[in-house]
Amino acid sequence: QQPVQSPQAVILREGEDAVINCSSSKALYSVHWYRQKHGEAPVFLMILLKGGEQKGHEKISASFNEKKQQSSLYLTASQLSYSGTYFCGTVVNQAGTALIFGKGTTLSVSS
Amino acid sequence: DGGITQSPKYLFRKEGQNVTLSCEQNLNHDAMYWYRQDPGQGLRLIYYSQIVNDFQKGDIAEGYSVSREKKESFPLTVTSAQKNPTAFYLCASSSSPGLAGGVAKNIQYFGAGTRLSVL
Repeated sequence: QQPVQSPQAVILREGEDAVINCSSSKALYSVHWYRQKHGEAPVFLMILLKGGEQKGHEKISASFNEKKQQSSLYLTASQLSYSGTYFCGTVVNQAGTALIFGKGTTLSVSS
Repeated sequence: DGGITQSPKYLFRKEGQNVTLSCEQNLNHDAMYWYRQDPGQGLRLIYYSQIVNDFQKGDIAEGYSVSREKKESFPLTVTSAQKNPTAFYLCASSSSPGLAGGVAKNIQYFGAGTRLSVL
């Protein structure tokens, strides 16, 4: 039931782009994205809901393909501050009571 | 400032000992969660509570216990039955209008975590 994230790790230079994917074996109602710096609390980035509703940061974009049960997070013109581990959390139906998180994708941005 | 406070930041457990991790929130959120984080494993759900005096087991509840006597507090006890307790523990909360639909549409806010080690 745990969603699968890919890739496991990404190394970028400042200004480069990256895509992080999150796939589920079950139909999804919503997908949440969080970023965590080492030893710190995860910080909310984006929620994508079935039907197209989104809430999140203006500078970060994401997509949710309901038919493929996948979500992708797009990081464009990366900055040093983008470094960290990105987690997707999924909810399979509207009555879901908890997020199920993937194992994470580690992004390293260097100058 | 509103937020979630976890204490202590670091905790050491002796073999056979029970230890309790504190989680307090002043966000007026109904739902609270405990996650365990191990390197490369992501966040795994231990217990969650949608309302005072009620809680449910998550995926890895064995060796842990919780209580929810007050809306703002959700302490986690790591019992001696948990043979591998070394991990980073995160508490989270979210608003949950009604019992359905809350977690799907609402942001989860996390505390800064407690790192538990075994002596």
